Amino acid sequence: GAGVSQSPRYKVAKRGQDVALRCDPISGHVSLFWYQQALGQGPEFLTYFQNEAQLDKSGLPSDRFFAERPEGSVSTLKIQRTQQEDSAVYLCASSLARAGGGYTFGSGTRLTVV
Amino acid sequence: DQQVKQNSPSLSVQEGRISILNCDYTNSMFDYFLWYKKYPAEGPTFLISISSIKDKNEDGRFTVFLNKSAKHLSLHIVPSQPGDSAVYFCAASELQGAQKLVFGQGTRLTINP
Repeated sequence: GAGVSQSPRYKVAKRGQDVALRCDPISGHVSLFWYQQALGQGPEFLTYFQNEAQLDKSGLPSDRFFAERPEGSVSTLKIQRTQQEDSAVYLCASSLARAGGGYTFGSGTRLTVV
Repeated sequence: DQQVKQNSPSLSVQEGRISILNCDYTNSMFDYFLWYKKYPAEGPTFLISISSIKDKNEDGRFTVFLNKSAKHLSLHIVPSQPGDSAVYFCAASELQGAQKLVFGQGTRLTINP
């Protein structure tokens, strides 16, 4: 597609519920990233894929967070047993390998845990 | 530990004047810097970047200045236009094309007619 597509746009989850957030990167983009943006803050790095390989997951806040990109295209960020502090906008971005001009971000999924 | 800091949460500028947004960083390993612009309910959009071998990069109305000794960068927008009203984030990485960006908290710029 023309841009990075994320779904759903909004998700309300009850505390303890599992959620799955989807990202469709720009076709042909090798690199895919997930960021978490809390209210009033800048995006914070979660994890990075190059094709299907997860090369950096240093930003995942706990083992409740899991990301996958099994065929090197669509990626899913899964959060198990959601907690209120997980409420944030989750941003996905993609880029050509070593694109010095920065990523292309999707519009994000706003997760609210109640 | 905030490695990239934008100390001004908001800035208001009159249309046609210059907007100057500031950013400070603490990690001396950072050598590539970017500015992103964000409208409500949209993802950040890449605006302009600069590598540490330069001290200035210009693209139309947008110019980024880098002062490595002070660990400071700034974004100048001139002349400012109403469509420039948005949240601006600076970001840094340790290597151009590196895959992990560290973002500041953002500055909300409002351009007044």
